[in-house]
Amino acid sequence: NAGVTQTPKFQVLKTGQSMTLQCAQDMNHEYMSWYRQDPGMGLRLIHYSVGAGITDQGEVPNGYNVSRSTTEDFPLRLLSAAPSQTSVYFCASSYVSGAEAFFGQGTRLTVV
Amino acid sequence: ELKVEQNPLFLSMQEGKNYTIYCNYSTTSDRLYWYRQDPGKSLESLFVLLSNGAVKQEGRLMASLDTKARLSTLHITAAVHDLSATYFCAVEREETSGSRLTFGEGTQLTVNP
Repeated sequence: NAGVTQTPKFQVLKTGQSMTLQCAQDMNHEYMSWYRQDPGMGLRLIHYSVGAGITDQGEVPNGYNVSRSTTEDFPLRLLSAAPSQTSVYFCASSYVSGAEAFFGQGTRLTVV
Repeated sequence: ELKVEQNPLFLSMQEGKNYTIYCNYSTTSDRLYWYRQDPGKSLESLFVLLSNGAVKQEGRLMASLDTKARLSTLHITAAVHDLSATYFCAVEREETSGSRLTFGEGTQLTVNP
């Protein structure tokens, strides 16, 4: 079972470049979310979605955009990368809002 | 604003010993989770605690929840090296726009032979 799949696993960007982190799940989960993990800070919620066509901001949304055109996919866009966005990014999904979350393997992003 | 604090943040213990990790949170919650993360890996769900007094056990790990004290504990019994990992607690609250998870800083556990 694929579960939650994130691509790429590693990425190096130059300041000002844009890119999209991909997240796909094959479990027909309604709820999907993006987190960033920085040393000593745990995971922080960036954006989340309770279903196709519905997204909302989390704790640290600035510099990131999301959209949810299908149930399966929830891409995270960095419009103009900054060194402060160097982090490990995790995508998660759950059957519905409030159900147990399943996490992807993470994307390690470095912005130079 | 919901705050979640874990202590200790770093824990080095000998095999065979017992220890407890604490998770305090600042406001009422709907659910509390414990996750394990191995270096460079994703998060693995260990326990979900739903109500006051809930206790769950899996192997050498036991988690409990006291909603009145806003405190959860993760107790380790007779630690073994394989338990070395970072442990996170996370508190979930339902809001009108959907549920939101707030994580603690994590406790990095090292079990020494």
